[in-house]
Amino acid sequence: DAGVTQSPTHLIKTRGQQVTLRCSPKSGHDTVSWYQQALGQGPQFIFQYYEEEERQRGNFPDRFSGHQFPNYSSELNVNALLLGDSALYLCASSFSNEQFFGPGTRLTVL
Amino acid sequence: GESVGLHLPTLSVQEGDNSIINCAYSNSASDYFIWYKQESGKGPQFIIDIRSNMDKRQGQRVTVLLNKTVKHLSLQIAATQPGDSAVYFCAENRGAGGTSYGKLTFGQGTILTVHP
Repeated sequence: DAGVTQSPTHLIKTRGQQVTLRCSPKSGHDTVSWYQQALGQGPQFIFQYYEEEERQRGNFPDRFSGHQFPNYSSELNVNALLLGDSALYLCASSFSNEQFFGPGTRLTVL
Repeated sequence: GESVGLHLPTLSVQEGDNSIINCAYSNSASDYFIWYKQESGKGPQFIIDIRSNMDKRQGQRVTVLLNKTVKHLSLQIAATQPGDSAVYFCAENRGAGGTSYGKLTFGQGTILTVHP
């Protein structure tokens, strides 16, 4: 079992650009959550997907959007990137209580 | 506002000592709590969880204590090893009944350093 995988591992973008991050959940997991972790901070909840729909959302602007596919994998899209979007983006998958995290994608916005 | 926070941002211990990491939460309606360990360059790793109907839960070398009266959570690590060095986060799940339905709210984290 490969666990939760994310791609790419690192990404550099410039302000105003758009980015798509990808996540494959742990085998058997049907729920995917996305978090943003700024340097030196705890992860902040962005949103959660279940049955291909956004089920819950944190305090993030509409520039942050997502999608879940029939195979439960998920994408996080961020439009009109700002310098403040630089962070580690974490994906977590779950089936019941325990959320398993992937290694994250390090996004740098210049 | 609602938050989950940590009392101590850093903790240094000697190998073999017991470590205690503390966490305060503000939402009395929270019903599920988790401790995560995050090593440099990796995602958070689940350590142990506890529901609000319990006050203590033990795992392998770890114990979580929950005091709902003062809204306090602690993680005890027995016989701390250098491999335990990491950032430790407490997290609160505000989902319905503590299921995966719902977001995790994390504290800022405590840096644990274990000296050989």
